[in-house]
Amino acid sequence: AQSVSQHNHHVILSEAASLELGCNYSYGGTVNLFWYVQYPGQHLQLLLKYFSGDPLVKGIKGFEAEFIKSKFSFNLRKPSVQWSDTAEYFCAVNGGNNNDMRFGAGTRLTVKP
Amino acid sequence: DAGVIQSPRHEVTEMGQEVTLRCKPISGHNSLFWYRQTMMRGLELLIYFNNNVPIDDSGMPEDRFSAKMPNASFSTLKIQPSEPRDSAVYFCASSLKGGGTGGYTFGSGTRLTVV
Repeated sequence: AQSVSQHNHHVILSEAASLELGCNYSYGGTVNLFWYVQYPGQHLQLLLKYFSGDPLVKGIKGFEAEFIKSKFSFNLRKPSVQWSDTAEYFCAVNGGNNNDMRFGAGTRLTVKP
Repeated sequence: DAGVIQSPRHEVTEMGQEVTLRCKPISGHNSLFWYRQTMMRGLELLIYFNNNVPIDDSGMPEDRFSAKMPNASFSTLKIQPSEPRDSAVYFCASSLKGGGTGGYTFGSGTRLTVV
């Protein structure tokens, strides 16, 4: 069964700092990978996704993620965070043609102004 | 498109009462998912449907929980009887079947409080 691990539960950064959130997955076959963001009191929104091609994926709001197959990882990055990036970030995976997506536990990001 | 629509946004009920949560998926999407989000457990997949048929309900915590999808544009999640530990935010999401590459679109959620 597929599973997702997010190692950081809570990350606190100052504005303009660089961000990297870890995500590792467990699945033996082809995977589709996603990062979702949940702003306080809101629903989950898709940040970016990877399903094939260039392993470096660029998403909205300056976020990017790199798929490293050998490490089963899909870490999220942003060179310079803003206060408005304060939110919870979820990594998710579904395998091949499977439709059910499994989410990591989430990482809460707090950006200090 | 109005997106995935959930109702009600907030529900406060007394222990033992029946609760029904509603979801309207995006038109054309033929997969629908119910998730529960709590501080302790994070996001849990409860059940999902393809073409109105329940595919995997292994995440449904107990027999008190049931879900239906009578047609392509409507689904319900029912809890009967409700208990305080059911308090959570319940999200509905939809996607194209076999379109795992597209990701899900989530509704705004229903915040359930059972007192």
